[in-house]
Order: sequence, then structure tokens, then C-alpha cells
Amino acid sequence: AQSVTQLGSHVSVSEGALVLLRCNYSSSVPPYLFWYVQYPNQGLQLLLKYTTGATLVKGINGFEAEFKKSETSFHLTKPSAHMSDAAEYFCAVNSGGSNYKLTFGKGTLLTVNP
Amino acid sequence: DGGITQSPKYLFRKEGQNVTLSCEQNLNHDAMYWYRQDPGQGLRLIYYSQIVNDFQKGDIAEGYSVSREKKESFPLTVTSAQKNPTAFYLCASRGTSGGRDIQYFGAGTRLSVL
Repeated sequence: AQSVTQLGSHVSVSEGALVLLRCNYSSSVPPYLFWYVQYPNQGLQLLLKYTTGATLVKGINGFEAEFKKSETSFHLTKPSAHMSDAAEYFCAVNSGGSNYKLTFGKGTLLTVNP
Repeated sequence: DGGITQSPKYLFRKEGQNVTLSCEQNLNHDAMYWYRQDPGQGLRLIYYSQIVNDFQKGDIAEGYSVSREKKESFPLTVTSAQKNPTAFYLCASRGTSGGRDIQYFGAGTRLSVL
């Protein structure tokens, strides 16, 4: 079984401030982890993914995430928020297997204040 | 351009009516998925298909049906048995990027009940 918990359904930051969106997962096998972004009334766009190898993963738009096995976490960060980063962010886990099903967290809405 | 096309963008259902949401992809992907998104709930898997003429129930399949007669198409029917159909529906297909499987999403269909 696999699950994802995103801490904080809504995060508000000022433009130029650090963005930190938290994601913890549970998985019985080594996980594949993903962050997706969703702008209003649109589909999901992949920001970054962790599969194996380097635990610090860089994605698009200046975002990065670090896989910490000991903490079962995959938090998303960006050093300096832009207004265009305002969106909903979803963490997802896949524990492998032939059926390849993703389990999503409930999402975190990021607001960026001028 | 390659991608996933969902139609219509907005759909209205009357009581007791079945409605069908279209999902077409030209990415040559074998696997396709349907998710339902409700505010604060994240994405929940309705049905998925690994290959043509085969599909499996996801976590919330009751009141929905699908078919997979062609590789490019994976339509979702919301039946009258689904008592709370109002939601945002997202279709995805699975392909490979950087040697790893990734799900790619369409822009979604918003279904409302009249």
C-alpha cells in the first residue's frame, strides 16, 4: 500500500520569499515520487520526478525537491517565489509494479503575495 | 503537436442521464487513466487501461464505465448511477521520459449537474 500526505492545504508567501511545500509518503517498496503543478482549470504538468540515483532533483521553473528516505519525505522548494508560481501543487507516489498506479496527495494551493 | 485532448471542456448532465467524456491521445501510449478531482480531495483513480481491449477499476469506479477499443481513445461514461457526478475529470496517458514512466495529463472536463 502507498499513501501521500501533503502538510498544509494552503501556503501563502510573499514574492521573492522561499517556497516550501511539504510531502510525506508511505510505501512498502522503494518509491518513485513526483510533483505536479496545476493552474486553474487546466490539467497537471510534471514539475519533477525522483526515481533512483541523486536524491536532490531539479525540475522546471526553478523548483527542486529532495528525497529523504529516513524521513519518508519529498519536500518541494524554490528559493524565490514569483507571482507566476501561484497554482496548486500535487505530490504523487508510485511504488512500482506492473499496474503503475499513482497515488496523489490532496494538494497544496500556493498563493504568492506582491 | 502530440498530446492528450479532452472534450468537451464543460459538460452538463440532467438527472437520470448518461454522459460520455472523450479522451484522445496521439502519443502512441499504451496505458491510459481517468481521474476525478474534487476540491481538497486531490485526484482519485476511476479506471485505467494498460492496453487496448483491457481495463481495470480504480478506487472509485462505481457509477462509471469505460471502453478501450482503440489505442488512441479511452472514453469515460458517467452513468445515472453516479449520484454525485459534479467534479473535474482528468484523463492521462503513460509514456517514458528519461528512461522512466511518466503520466501526461489532458486539460480536463468540468462536469456539472443541471
